[in-house]
Amino acid sequence: DVVMTQSPLSLPVTLGQPASISCRSSQSLVYNDGNTYLNWFQQRPGQSPRRLIYKVSNRDSGVPDRFSGSGSGTDFTLKISRVEAEDVGVYYCMQGTHWPRTFGQGTKVEIK
Amino acid sequence: QVQLQQWGAGLLKPSETLSLTCAVYGGSFSGYYWSWIRQPPGKGLEWIGEISHSGSTNYNPSLKSRLTISVDTSKNQFSLKLNSVTAADTAVYYCSRAVGGIVGDNWGQGTLVTVSS
Repeated sequence: DVVMTQSPLSLPVTLGQPASISCRSSQSLVYNDGNTYLNWFQQRPGQSPRRLIYKVSNRDSGVPDRFSGSGSGTDFTLKISRVEAEDVGVYYCMQGTHWPRTFGQGTKVEIK
Repeated sequence: QVQLQQWGAGLLKPSETLSLTCAVYGGSFSGYYWSWIRQPPGKGLEWIGEISHSGSTNYNPSLKSRLTISVDTSKNQFSLKLNSVTAADTAVYYCSRAVGGIVGDNWGQGTLVTVSS
């Protein structure tokens, strides 16, 4: 299985400040079709996960533009330009290139 | 807007069969893969498997020997059966939608399944 490793696992942030989460895969996530299937999810307390980003850097409809994704190959990053109170939760990366699909361990974002 | 609504038994005894169903409303059923994902209490997410509208499946090898995912296109529903459950199968189970490797644009509300004697 492809191992997805996130860091940090806990991220205390100050409101209005930027935040960054790293996700590294044990194998390249470039698929045969040339696409890289790396997704980012947000899970607020008590809620189902919500996808924020697909194929590395494509923001889902309704996702604020303060969220951005970048990276390539095996190294990816989710950035929040200015953290707001509603951004509190756990963030997961997930690869959709290889079977079985696998998730990172999750990064808990909290307000300082 | 696509909505996924799921249901099934929430309390099982060890060795019983977990059975959940997810119905898809408000969108096309064909052209997608329909997934199951679970989350043990306080832990991370685990991909269980997926099925296409035509019945093609991909399973997590860690669960494959106990797992069956099926589809009923006449009702726009898909189902999960997991045999011989143990306490390790206690989790919130989610259904979701995928297009190839683009996973999880829509999710069900989640069903907590507890395995306890």
